[in-house]
Amino acid sequence: GESVGLHLPTLSVQEGDNSIINCAYSNSASDYFIWYKQESGKGPQFIIDIRSNMDKRQGQRVTVLLNKTVKHLSLQIAATQPGDSAVYFCAEIPYGNKLVFGAGTILRVKS
Amino acid sequence: GAVVSQHPSWVICKSGTSVKIECRSLDFQATTMFWYRQFPKQSLMLMATSNEGSKATYEQGVEKDKFLINHASLTLSTLTVTSAHPEDSSFYICSAFRGATDTQYFGPGTRLTVL
Repeated sequence: GESVGLHLPTLSVQEGDNSIINCAYSNSASDYFIWYKQESGKGPQFIIDIRSNMDKRQGQRVTVLLNKTVKHLSLQIAATQPGDSAVYFCAEIPYGNKLVFGAGTILRVKS
Repeated sequence: GAVVSQHPSWVICKSGTSVKIECRSLDFQATTMFWYRQFPKQSLMLMATSNEGSKATYEQGVEKDKFLINHASLTLSTLTVTSAHPEDSSFYICSAFRGATDTQYFGPGTRLTVL
């Protein structure tokens, strides 16, 4: 079936370094993508989104890149902080308003 | 703005009992809400789409008679896990779709443990 997958299940970075979390999606019809952050025991928190008519979008310390040719998303976090430690999910909307979540990447920030 | 709450935040029940989880959009109206289930170290899996005033739409493999969904108002959807068993233990998360921003807002989740 349709799925959104992640390349790396766990990413460990040193505090202050930049983090890059990757995601591959499979539905070429998806035109909207979202990155979520989920802390332990909490619901997902919206980080940033991007539509298929864009290649890049920047937020505060975060940047999302979309490569439609290879169906790849990435989330870049600048100057990673201990508070960034969480599980990160990419999600796509292939139709309607239904979100399809990827497997998730655990980001561990070492002080 | 755009706050979604869930109640309870955690619940422990005996096998065979039923448990109701509430999802409320506190500052906006949501004609559509979604229910997800998340097992430890796994992703969120959509269980069903809850539509105000009509029957819920369940994803393939989700038993509608076991997971009863009621969306009686524009700010409240409930999920009832009937005759719960230990394998139903999970983290249940709801989201509410806000049309004005074309965005789903997630609740904090409910941890269900069935003994």
